Amino acid sequence: DAMVIQNPRYQVTQFGKPVTLSCSQTLNHNVMYWYQQKSSQAPKLLFHYYDKDFNNEADTPDNFQSRRPNTSFCFLDIRSPGLGDAAMYLCATSRDARPRYEQYFGPGTRLTVT
Amino acid sequence: DQQVKQNSPSLSVQEGRISILNCDYTNSMFDYFLWYKKYPAEGPTFLISISSIKDKNEDGRFTVFLNKSAKHLSLHIVPSQPGDSAVYFCAASVDGNKLVFGAGTILRVKS
Repeated sequence: DAMVIQNPRYQVTQFGKPVTLSCSQTLNHNVMYWYQQKSSQAPKLLFHYYDKDFNNEADTPDNFQSRRPNTSFCFLDIRSPGLGDAAMYLCATSRDARPRYEQYFGPGTRLTVT
Repeated sequence: DQQVKQNSPSLSVQEGRISILNCDYTNSMFDYFLWYKKYPAEGPTFLISISSIKDKNEDGRFTVFLNKSAKHLSLHIVPSQPGDSAVYFCAASVDGNKLVFGAGTILRVKS
């Protein structure tokens, strides 16, 4: 009974070829987050949605965009992936945006850029 | 600029002994701290948290200590079990804002 599902688990894309990563949740949580984690580094927040309100981090490159068509689904679009975008992408959800509300993470999608 | 640092990339402990994982932070405005645990091929899962108004929080075998003057956080696991082998992430937040994570410490508990 997976609660935060990420598809695909592994994604290979070519340099400059747009790619979309998918996240879905069965928890009916208000908030959905996207994190980028490069090898041996800390997960870094890219953006989050509180319901339909989009909140972008100041240092998230314009190359990264997100869509949340409904409560259950959230997508991460990378318009023109570069070699530096190869990373694990983690989706998380929480009932509310405050840290006291636990974040539930999916297993991640590992993106390779060739 | 790493605001949350876990300086030990890995730690190896014998089963039954204490595991101590450390975390240092630079932002004195952080007011809430969390530990997450991650097994291979799974996402991180919440383990334990502490507010800056406390200096200790305990949950079973897990205790988190906060030393605000030293800007230091530690997680104690007693007794350590082989199933505790995982990556442990420290995270912090300011005034209910986003979480800032450390890079993680790999804990290996040997039986």
